Formats: sequence, structure tokens, C-alpha cells
Amino acid sequence: EPEVTQTPSHQVTQMGQEVILRCVPISNHLYFYWYRQILGQKVEFLVSFYNNEISEKSEIFDDQFSVERPDGSNFTLKIRSTKLEDSAMYFCASSAGLDTDTQYFGPGTRLTVL
Amino acid sequence: QKEVEQNSGPLSVPEGAIASLNCTYSDRGSQSFFWYRQYSGKSPELIMSIYSNGDKEDGRFTAQLNKASQYVSLLIRDSQPSDSATYLCASYSWGKLQFGAGTQVVVTP
Repeated sequence: EPEVTQTPSHQVTQMGQEVILRCVPISNHLYFYWYRQILGQKVEFLVSFYNNEISEKSEIFDDQFSVERPDGSNFTLKIRSTKLEDSAMYFCASSAGLDTDTQYFGPGTRLTVL
Repeated sequence: QKEVEQNSGPLSVPEGAIASLNCTYSDRGSQSFFWYRQYSGKSPELIMSIYSNGDKEDGRFTAQLNKASQYVSLLIRDSQPSDSATYLCASYSWGKLQFGAGTQVVVTP
């Protein structure tokens, strides 16, 4: 069964450094998403991406964050100048369409900022 | 602020019994609703989706939606120890999922 994959599974970085989290969505899906979950808190929407541009973004997704689809398979989230409060699980998701279509989640990347 | 609300639990359920989980949402523009299961340290795993008022059954799971009351529920029949997890209710609108905080379910042998 096709699945969303994410690398790395765990990333440790120093405050102020840049990190890139990588995702390979399900191959025939057209919509891509990033969510994050701070330990003990809700899963929060960050951004959605379609046709090589951002569709929606939350207030969390400020200038520190950017997304890119550098090739036909990868979808990346870049976090510039990381802060302690960026420590969280970051989940990538993809869906075939919008509206009623189901979003399938990857296994997540645990980001730890020291 | 558009919210999805769930009881945090834990909901303790004897093995073989029915677990009943509830969720309310505030955004009347929400188009579809999802139940995800999340084990500790893992990603959300889809259990069920529901788009129309009424019941939808899939194996041991039944989801119910009442858009007039802005209410979604999930029943888990014949609960098993492997059902012990946090169950996340999510509403979909404007291109994104909005999640509740989740209800922790503990199935006791």
C-alpha cells in the first residue's frame, strides 16, 4: 500500500541553525501538507501546497518557514534560524484531491532544538 | 477562533465493551470529518471519514455526524487492548484539517 515517507526520523539541531525536513508524498497525490505537534498538544496545520504554490498557511507559518517541491517526488519544509519552541513532531501529509479527500500522514520527523 | 473540542479522557473501557467518543466543532463551513488514531510518539492513522449526516459503519467502528448540532461521534465495538490509543477528531474546511486535542482510550483486559 502506498504511503507517505519522511526523513530524517529525528533531527537534532542547535538554536539558530537551519533545518530541512523531507517528505515523499504518495505518488499520485496532488495536495501536500505540513502539520506539527508540540509534545502533549494538538496537531496543528502549518501549510498546504498545490501546483507548486502555497494554497493555505496558518499564522504559525511565518517568514521563518518555507516549503518547496524541488523535484517530482520530494516535498520539503525549511525552518530558518530555529528556536527552542520549534521543537515538535512535524508531519507531512498528502491527498489526491481537496474537499472530501482524505489526508494520509507520514511517520513524522521529531525535531529537537537545543 | 474555530475549534474542535473533545473530552481528553482517559476513557477506560473493559475489553469487549463499546467505547463512545464525542467531538463538537464550531466551524459551520466544515465539509468533512475524520477520526484518526494516534499511538504515543506515532503519526495520526486514519480510521474513518464521514461527510453526510447519519451513521457510517466500517468493521468495529461507527461514525455519526449531525451537522445541525455540529457533533461527530465514534463508537468502537468489541474493544481490544490494541485499541488503546488517543483518538483525534478532525474537521476539514478551507484546505486544512483542524484537530481536536484527542481522547485517550484505555482498554482494560
